[in-house]
Amino acid sequence: QVQLQQSGAELAKPGSSVKISCKASGYTFTSYYISWIKQTTGQGLEYIGYINTGSGGTNYNEKFKGKATLTVDKSSSTAFMQLSSLTPDDSAVYYCARSPHPGSFAYWGQGTLVTVSS
Amino acid sequence: DIQMTQTPSSMPASLGERVTISCRASQGISNYLNWYQQKPDGTIKPLIYYTSNLQSGVPSRFSGSGSGTDYSLTISSLEPEDFAMYYCQQYDSSPPTFGAGTKLELK
Repeated sequence: QVQLQQSGAELAKPGSSVKISCKASGYTFTSYYISWIKQTTGQGLEYIGYINTGSGGTNYNEKFKGKATLTVDKSSSTAFMQLSSLTPDDSAVYYCARSPHPGSFAYWGQGTLVTVSS
Repeated sequence: DIQMTQTPSSMPASLGERVTISCRASQGISNYLNWYQQKPDGTIKPLIYYTSNLQSGVPSRFSGSGSGTDYSLTISSLEPEDFAMYYCQQYDSSPPTFGAGTKLELK
């Protein structure tokens, strides 16, 4: 069955970076996009962007350009999202999701909590 | 960005009750509308895609409808496992955007 297993919770200091992983199994990794979504209590669910797992091409929500960097390692069927120059506003749960096409999210990971605090 | 307005924000309901959640887009979205369920542990499950199509494995008590700017999710007879958060999401225009959610609570 399709599974997206995300890495564990992160505690990071302001100004630092974190890299979250999303390991896919149960399907052909390069046949689907991987999208990333941010969830906070205040802003709700926000789309960050997606990566074409076959070509490595990316598309970002303007709001997250310069904040998030999406990459993949096809050999391990894993997608990554790096968040840089962290501020407390980046504290959130981040989800990866398998997308049959950009903008639709058919399977979700369990979420990764990122807390930014000094 | 297209704004998605969900109503109500919370809804007390009873087992067996029929409930409807509404979602209005700030402009027409040509039926490019999905619904998701989120449980308290954070697990997110897709329910409906392209307005009215049930995802595989979703019970038939869930249904979706709508057109233009107005869409809805209906649960015909509430089961205990249906008490959760529900979100609509449009993908007609980039970036995809979500409603703020509806919390379905046991009355």
